[in-house]
Amino acid sequence: DVKVTQSSRYLVKRTGEKVFLECVQDMDHENMFWYRQDPGLGLRLIYFSYDVKMKEKGDIPEGYSVSREKKERFSLILESASTNQTSMYLCASTQGRGRTDTQYFGPGTRLTVL
Amino acid sequence: GNSVTQMEGPVTLSEEAFLTINCTYTATGYPSLFWYVQYPGEGLQLLLKATKADDKGSNKGFEATYRKETTSFHLEKGSVQVSDSAVYFCALWAGGGADGLTFGKGTHLIIQP
Repeated sequence: DVKVTQSSRYLVKRTGEKVFLECVQDMDHENMFWYRQDPGLGLRLIYFSYDVKMKEKGDIPEGYSVSREKKERFSLILESASTNQTSMYLCASTQGRGRTDTQYFGPGTRLTVL
Repeated sequence: GNSVTQMEGPVTLSEEAFLTINCTYTATGYPSLFWYVQYPGEGLQLLLKATKADDKGSNKGFEATYRKETTSFHLEKGSVQVSDSAVYFCALWAGGGADGLTFGKGTHLIIQP
């Protein structure tokens, strides 16, 4: 079974702090994604990566950056956390880039910024 | 651009009732279609998928048929259980690049005993 893990289930930070959210997958997948989930808005893509050290902006990249130094790990960075970044963050991975490939999700990190 | 529209709910049903959650999409190209389920406090799990027209995805008693002519992928189950209470997301992926899934806003399903 594919396993995608995220470093924290719940996180509380203060405005202005630098925040790191970590995601690790164990299936040697090429592609990894970060989404945020908000009530009434569904899931929105923040960033994705299709290879080590490669990254592409998704629909809502403002206020975020990412890092992918190793194939299995994809980090989401909030350079200076703000209250409007309070949300559920979901990481996903997939092997291929074809439309038949399935994305596998981690359990999510619920981030609260005070 | 791509988009997915689904009924938002909450949808409240009694146990053993018939379930339909509507999902329609617009997409450039020829997407694959997915239903994901999110149980309380958990991440998303793939429920079923279909990759070409007239394909039927099925899992755990749920079914959905890829209808290209009506651009729809409605989720159905003949007899729901309390354990089916969750949020259900319809999604599409057009491929051609790892640019992520396009999700609907989710449908909160509540099953009462």
